Amino acid sequence: DQQVKQNSPSLSVQEGRISILNCDYTNSMFDYFLWYKKYPAEGPTFLISISSIKDKNEDGRFTVFLNKSAKHLSLHIVPSQPGDSAVYFCAASEGSNYQLIWGAGTKLIIKP
Amino acid sequence: DAMVIQNPRYQVTQFGKPVTLSCSQTLNHNVMYWYQQKSSQAPKLLFHYYDKDFNNEADTPDNFQSRRPNTSFCFLDIRSPGLGDAAMYLCATSRGGGTYEQYFGPGTRLTVT
Repeated sequence: DQQVKQNSPSLSVQEGRISILNCDYTNSMFDYFLWYKKYPAEGPTFLISISSIKDKNEDGRFTVFLNKSAKHLSLHIVPSQPGDSAVYFCAASEGSNYQLIWGAGTKLIIKP
Repeated sequence: DAMVIQNPRYQVTQFGKPVTLSCSQTLNHNVMYWYQQKSSQAPKLLFHYYDKDFNNEADTPDNFQSRRPNTSFCFLDIRSPGLGDAAMYLCATSRGGGTYEQYFGPGTRLTVT
């Protein structure tokens, strides 16, 4: 049973436009959410996180929105750049648990 | 720069021949993790250490073992690799669980022939 779902395996966006990556979760006990970016043949790189007590967190071009009632979060990238082309993973944790529960990833392609 | 280092980046081993992958960190983090990642799937946690306390995930095969001789180093031993163990192995560190981000190394790509 997948507790964290990224329903879009891939997304193609024009350079300069907004990229919106979505993530849904089923476990209401999750209280911390993270986005990671992964290039081929490299380890995931931490991008941005959000606590369940917030509904928005911004860091430069990256903004994460959390809708607890819908159990949905999204990552917005504005403006999208060619270097943003990568696989993006959504992950969640519960309390002080060490295990991250990962989504399957969304491949973002930024078209020039 | 503080970082997580994995050696080697690429490892080829024969079916059934033991192999050891290594990870070191300069972040001085308490927790070290080993993940297995196949193709473009999500990383799968194998085990983690909080300091010297070892925690095995329930579905991690007995074929996989780990050692953490000190804060900086952690090793993944695959005792008898099978073809199904070919994957990217990722080491990660964090200061703690919960709200602490995990920082990943570049990974070791294991090929089993």
